[in-house]
Amino acid sequence: KQEVTQIPAALSVPEGENLVLNCSFTDSAIYNLQWFRQDPGKGLTSLLLIQSSQREQTSGRLNASLDKSSGRSTLYIAASQPGDSATYLCAVVSDFNKFYFGSGTKLNVKP
Amino acid sequence: NAGVMQNPRHLVRRRGQEARLRCSPMKGHSHVYWYRQLPEEGLKFMVYLQKENIIDESGMPKERFSAEFPKEGPSILRIQQVVRGDSAAYFCASSPELNTEAFFGQGTRLTVV
Repeated sequence: KQEVTQIPAALSVPEGENLVLNCSFTDSAIYNLQWFRQDPGKGLTSLLLIQSSQREQTSGRLNASLDKSSGRSTLYIAASQPGDSATYLCAVVSDFNKFYFGSGTKLNVKP
Repeated sequence: NAGVMQNPRHLVRRRGQEARLRCSPMKGHSHVYWYRQLPEEGLKFMVYLQKENIIDESGMPKERFSAEFPKEGPSILRIQQVVRGDSAAYFCASSPELNTEAFFGQGTRLTVV
């Protein structure tokens, strides 16, 4: 059974800092990996999707990498801003588009 | 193209009542998924449906829960005889094809009193 772990569980940084969020998964047989952002009481916003054949994806200040063989993904956020404060969720997709979610990293960017 | 639409956004039910949660996928998406997020827990898969078919319901409790995605209209997640433990946020997602990017709705927050 796929297990997804995210470290750290919470992170507080000053504005402008570059930061890395980590995600690990136990079964490397995945179709893709998706990073989401969840604001309190809100839904999930898709940030980046990495297909299993890809190594990384970039969108603006966000860069996500995938190392399937070691079961790891990282989300890099450059020049963090207070508006980046949210919970970041990593999800791996196995058979039939079934997402396995980590518990998330709660990020607080202080002005 | 509107996103995945879920309604209601908030639902309060008394113990023993029925809860019906609706999800309209994005236009052109024929794959629908339901997830549940219990308080202070991660999202857990419940069921995967295509039009008129349940493909995978391995995450759905065997009793009181059912889901459908009819040929016309939204997907419905139905919870009969709700209990306090059913209180959670229920999220729906859709995708155009299998194993492609999925888009999530805003969720329905069910509170059982």
